[in-house]
Amino acid sequence: GQNIDQPTEMTATEGAIVQINCTYQTSGFNGLFWYQQHAGEAPTFLSYNVLDGLEEKGRFSSFLSRSKGYSYLLLKELQMKDSASYLCAVIDSNYQLIWGAGTKLIIKP
Amino acid sequence: NAGVTQTPKFRILKIGQSMTLQCTQDMNHNYMYWYRQDPGMGLKLIYYSVGAGITDKGEVLNGYNVSRSTTEDFPLRLELAAPSQTSVYFCASSSSGGAADTQYFGPGTRLTVL
Repeated sequence: GQNIDQPTEMTATEGAIVQINCTYQTSGFNGLFWYQQHAGEAPTFLSYNVLDGLEEKGRFSSFLSRSKGYSYLLLKELQMKDSASYLCAVIDSNYQLIWGAGTKLIIKP
Repeated sequence: NAGVTQTPKFRILKIGQSMTLQCTQDMNHNYMYWYRQDPGMGLKLIYYSVGAGITDKGEVLNGYNVSRSTTEDFPLRLELAAPSQTSVYFCASSSSGGAADTQYFGPGTRLTVL
């Protein structure tokens, strides 16, 4: 079966750095997305990785290792508004998006 | 551009009732999707469409139906609602459905079946 694993919840301090991990086992791989979802709202796009390595976009970076079936989202200089759920999603061989359950990130002052 | 809009935002149904969840996008996207999201779970694909007149099922198999008569609209029909269909429903669209194509989501419809 297809599986995406993320930690259920993480807590971090305002101004700090946090890394949210995602491991996947899917039938094929055509890319990996990270989305942000604030409580009660729709998911919004953060990043896309298809090749190994780090993609940096402002305070957010996303890393991919296809051989390890592993990705992480790195958030720097955390702000209170970063409190949200972070969803990892993998595109399988049928070009379907397989979604993880999401990691709820709690930021404390 | 309004992006992806959904109506209603909230709805309570009785068991056995039917309803249609509306979804409209104004980005001229070919691909549209319906997902449900249960608490603590990932998004589950119900149906998707690659263009007007073409629809296909996702991983959620029963209890739903869709139509796609225009590029803009992709309504989801629930027949004979059951408590198991209590969830948040998201509609999304993307330009081409390609691997790198971002999906844009509507604000969601929160449905409770009692």
